[in-house]
Amino acid sequence: LAKTTQPISMDSYEGQEVNITCSHNNIATNDYITWYQQFPSQGPRFIIQGYKTKVTNEVASLFIPADRKSSTLSLPRVSLSDTAVYYCLVGDVGGYQKVTFGTGTKLQVIP
Amino acid sequence: SQTIHQWPATLVQPVGSPLSLECTVEGTSNPNLYWYRQAAGRGLQLLFYSVGIGQISSEVPQNLSASRPQDRQFILSSKKLLLSDSGFYLCAWRMRGTNTEAFFGQGTRLTVV
Repeated sequence: LAKTTQPISMDSYEGQEVNITCSHNNIATNDYITWYQQFPSQGPRFIIQGYKTKVTNEVASLFIPADRKSSTLSLPRVSLSDTAVYYCLVGDVGGYQKVTFGTGTKLQVIP
Repeated sequence: SQTIHQWPATLVQPVGSPLSLECTVEGTSNPNLYWYRQAAGRGLQLLFYSVGIGQISSEVPQNLSASRPQDRQFILSSKKLLLSDSGFYLCAWRMRGTNTEAFFGQGTRLTVV
């Protein structure tokens, strides 16, 4: 499994765009990049997944450079309800892959 | 649609007592199943994962064990709880053979006293 490195915490004001970067220098050819969101006392929830370039859904965008050694989760116009821990995972496409989480980034949105 | 059930939601157990947490998945077959533990203010630690009935992989040597007696049932057990077993336990499933996301249960808050 490729190891991931994220900032431990980030603060942002409401209405701002937040970018959380994850480093995964040892990413393998078959690895996808997946981001999860976790609120206190809840299980993580899938946000977005990508392999290369840019992926966008109704919640976030994921930017992946050509070398795929890092990725950036972008949350547009955050609100207080976006305060959570965000995890970056890198893993193989196969369903046999164990799903291992790193320490995550604690995002605090400030009014 | 697929759903995952995990119970109980909260549990307070004395040191040395046994533990059994159950997780069941509905609406899918042959899922990969996972048990995680999260200590207060910490990240998720993968404890066990299973790719099939009776097939258990342990990630961290500890006071816990897991079993998968049926395709969609995953049980976390302990014969004698330790104080350090306190934490938030999460069960998750993932569709096998794909890169789809993992789906998590609501978790069990275990306090060993």
